[in-house]
Amino acid sequence: RKEVEQDPGPFNVPEGATVAFNCTYSNSASQSFFWYRQDCRKEPKLLMSVYSSGNEDGRFTAQLNRASQYISLLIRDSKLSDSATYLCVVRHSGNKLVFGAGTILRVKS
Amino acid sequence: ETGVTQTPRHLVMGMTNKKSLKCEQHLGHNAMYWYKQSAKKPLELMFVYNFKEQTENNSVPSRFSPECPNSSHLFLHLHTLQPEDSALYLCASSPGTGTSGANVLTFGAGSRLTVL
Repeated sequence: RKEVEQDPGPFNVPEGATVAFNCTYSNSASQSFFWYRQDCRKEPKLLMSVYSSGNEDGRFTAQLNRASQYISLLIRDSKLSDSATYLCVVRHSGNKLVFGAGTILRVKS
Repeated sequence: ETGVTQTPRHLVMGMTNKKSLKCEQHLGHNAMYWYKQSAKKPLELMFVYNFKEQTENNSVPSRFSPECPNSSHLFLHLHTLQPEDSALYLCASSPGTGTSGANVLTFGAGSRLTVL
């Protein structure tokens, strides 16, 4: 089983739609969780950290479910500029960051 | 642009060549990383340096040789590579590798390597 698993997509959605991605992780001792965004042929950039109580940043909401070992990212009112690959990242003990392979989002007009 | 600069951006080399990738960060960070990104695969951590000292080698073949002369510069020396080594090589830095410092990586734009 992969340490961090994501649905590769692509998710094709119209502008204005709400879309959600899930990510599952295998190590129950994982300590921190993040979503990174990677545009085509660009480097990954931190989108947001994921806190136990859930957190929101504008149109983006991240949630963590430790019991089921998954994290989610919800994007409301999708924009064309949201088109990218979204990477789920999990930090194990020892500060090792493990990346998922990413979920592709395409927002269309 | 991000504070982490990688050169060259593109590199084509034969299997018998020797080349180097360079990474420089202007963020005052103490930790630097090399990651490999192949198509449709997760980023793979290769090496971690903290205060110029290598703290992690993720079972990387010896044909990849890292060098970290100071906290701002990181090199990846390449020799006798294989075609399957073709990938995007990403450099990253972070304030440190402690509990909070490791959490935010700033990546460079990457060096796209093609091995013929």
